Amino acid sequence: AQKITQTQPGMFVQEKEAVTLDCTYDTSDQSYGLFWYKQPSSGEMIFLIYQGSYDEQNATEGRYSLNFQKARKSANLVISASQLGDSAMYFCAMREPFYNQGGKLIFGQGTELSVKP
Amino acid sequence: DGGITQSPKYLFRKEGQNVTLSCEQNLNHDAMYWYRQDPGQGLRLIYYSQIVNDFQKGDIAEGYSVSREKKESFPLTVTSAQKNPTAFYLCASSTLAGGSTDTQYFGPGTRLTVL
Repeated sequence: AQKITQTQPGMFVQEKEAVTLDCTYDTSDQSYGLFWYKQPSSGEMIFLIYQGSYDEQNATEGRYSLNFQKARKSANLVISASQLGDSAMYFCAMREPFYNQGGKLIFGQGTELSVKP
Repeated sequence: DGGITQSPKYLFRKEGQNVTLSCEQNLNHDAMYWYRQDPGQGLRLIYYSQIVNDFQKGDIAEGYSVSREKKESFPLTVTSAQKNPTAFYLCASSTLAGGSTDTQYFGPGTRLTVL
């Protein structure tokens, strides 16, 4: 079974600094996708960034980048130039293959990020 | 704008009542999902559907029911058999083209409270 582990329950970062949120995963599949979502206090789950297992380059989306180390099975999220609006819960997730419950997402426990002014 | 809508945003249920949560998407996605989130935790799958008129149980389906009569709609009913329904409910959808690499997009959620 696939598993996602986020070991940082809470993180603090100073505004305008960069922060790394850790995520490790476990899977026996060769083809898989890793996702990061942001959940602000309003509750909506906002998709941030995706990394495919066969992608040779690390994914980037604006201020978000994914530090993908396949051999270590880690997919850390890096947020550059933190803003106050980045304060939220962040979830790392992986999709199951479609033959397993329709490709449901497996989520980590989340990391609560607080940006200090 | 394409997206997923859920209604209502807040819902209060009395003991013994059935309530229905709405989920609509205009992304032309084949697959739709219902997840439940409890405080301080990740999401758990309740039901999913990959095609109209077909749906399957997820990890915590007891006390819930769904229907998929249209591609765009996937309503969730929380029945009186669900003993602890107070939670945040999120609906999601995705294509099925890329397998496990397809992104799931979420609606804004419904917060259900039992009085």
